[in-house]
Amino acid sequence: QQQVKQSPQSLIVQKGGIPIINCAYENTAFDYFPWYQQFPGKGPALLIAIRPDVSEKKEGRFTISFNKSAKQFSLHIMDSQPGDSATYFCAARGLSNSGYALNFGKGTSLLVTP
Amino acid sequence: EADIYQTPRYLVIGTGKKITLECSQTMGHDKMYWYQQDPGMELHLIHYSYGVNSTEKGDLSSESTVSRIRTEHFPLTLESARPSHTSQYLCASSELGGVGQYFGPGTRLTVT
Repeated sequence: QQQVKQSPQSLIVQKGGIPIINCAYENTAFDYFPWYQQFPGKGPALLIAIRPDVSEKKEGRFTISFNKSAKQFSLHIMDSQPGDSATYFCAARGLSNSGYALNFGKGTSLLVTP
Repeated sequence: EADIYQTPRYLVIGTGKKITLECSQTMGHDKMYWYQQDPGMELHLIHYSYGVNSTEKGDLSSESTVSRIRTEHFPLTLESARPSHTSQYLCASSELGGVGQYFGPGTRLTVT
């Protein structure tokens, strides 16, 4: 059973556009929601994260919007650049049989065209 | 510079061979993890450790084993590799009370 559902699977935008990646969860006990960026041949890198008591967090061109009542959160990339082309994973931290663990979405492959 | 390293980066090996994937971190993190990642799929936790001499299985069943003899080192071993083990293996670490995990570059394993 997948704990975090991520969409879309892939996304193509032009340079300067604002790609939006959405994630939804069911477990209201999740307490931390990070986004990871992964380039080909590299491991995922922590990009930005939010806790459920905040509705929005912005770091540079990256913004997380969080809707606690809808159990959804999304990543917005302002003024997207070709260098932003990567796979993006959302995640949610919760208590499981493995202790506190991150539950990952399936990822979104983003291509920003020049 | 604090970092997390994995070797080898790529490995092609025949069925039945024993392999060890290495992971080391220089950040002094207590908690370390192994994930399995397949294309188009989420990362699945297969092992984790809270510190030296602590190892636990993750949510995804795996035939691999791990050890944690030193804080900075968390190797993963497959006693007898099979084609079903073909995947990318990612190592990560975090502070014991921290939430952010830092990932290594991964080992892409192909078992023929």
